[in-house]
Amino acid sequence: AQSVTQLGSHVSVSEGALVLLRCNYSSSVPPYLFWYVQYPNQGLQLLLKYTTGATLVKGINGFEAEFKKSETSFHLTKPSAHMSDAAEYFCAVSDDNDMRFGAGTRLTVKP
Amino acid sequence: EAGVAQSPRYKIIEKRQSVAFWCNPISGHATLYWYQQILGQGPKLLIQFQNNGVVDDSQLPKDRFSAERLKGVDSTLKIQPAKLEDSAVYLCASSLMTGSNEKLFFGSGTQLSVL
Repeated sequence: AQSVTQLGSHVSVSEGALVLLRCNYSSSVPPYLFWYVQYPNQGLQLLLKYTTGATLVKGINGFEAEFKKSETSFHLTKPSAHMSDAAEYFCAVSDDNDMRFGAGTRLTVKP
Repeated sequence: EAGVAQSPRYKIIEKRQSVAFWCNPISGHATLYWYQQILGQGPKLLIQFQNNGVVDDSQLPKDRFSAERLKGVDSTLKIQPAKLEDSAVYLCASSLMTGSNEKLFFGSGTQLSVL
């Protein structure tokens, strides 16, 4: 069965700084990988997903993630953080049957 | 486009009481999911419906949890009787079809507190 590990339950960056949220997965089959964001008092929203093809995936709000099979990673990045990026971010992996979520990383953006 | 609707937004009950949550998915979405999100953890799938049939309920505690999706549209999730450890946010999600690469649309959730 697949699983997801998000390194760091809480990440704090300054406004304008690089955002890096780490995600490692395990899967017995080629995975589909997702990043979801959850703003306070809202449901989860899809940021981006990797299915096949290009390993660098661009999502909404300037986020992107790179699938690295050799490292079993799918880290999320954004070159310059905005205050509005403060939220909880969840990495998820899916195989033919099931989507499993990581425990989440709370991103704080300091002025 | 209207999103996934859930109600109530909050619910507080005492242990051993019963509670029910309601979900209305996006129109035309065949697949509906119920997730449990305990504070500090990621969402955990409880049950997945394809139309009105159950696809996966392997992680549903069937001694106390039940769910139905009559007519393949709205769904209800019930807990009877509730335990303290059931305190969580219950998220409903829907997708156009079942598939590993399908995007899920989530509702805002129902926050349950069991006292």
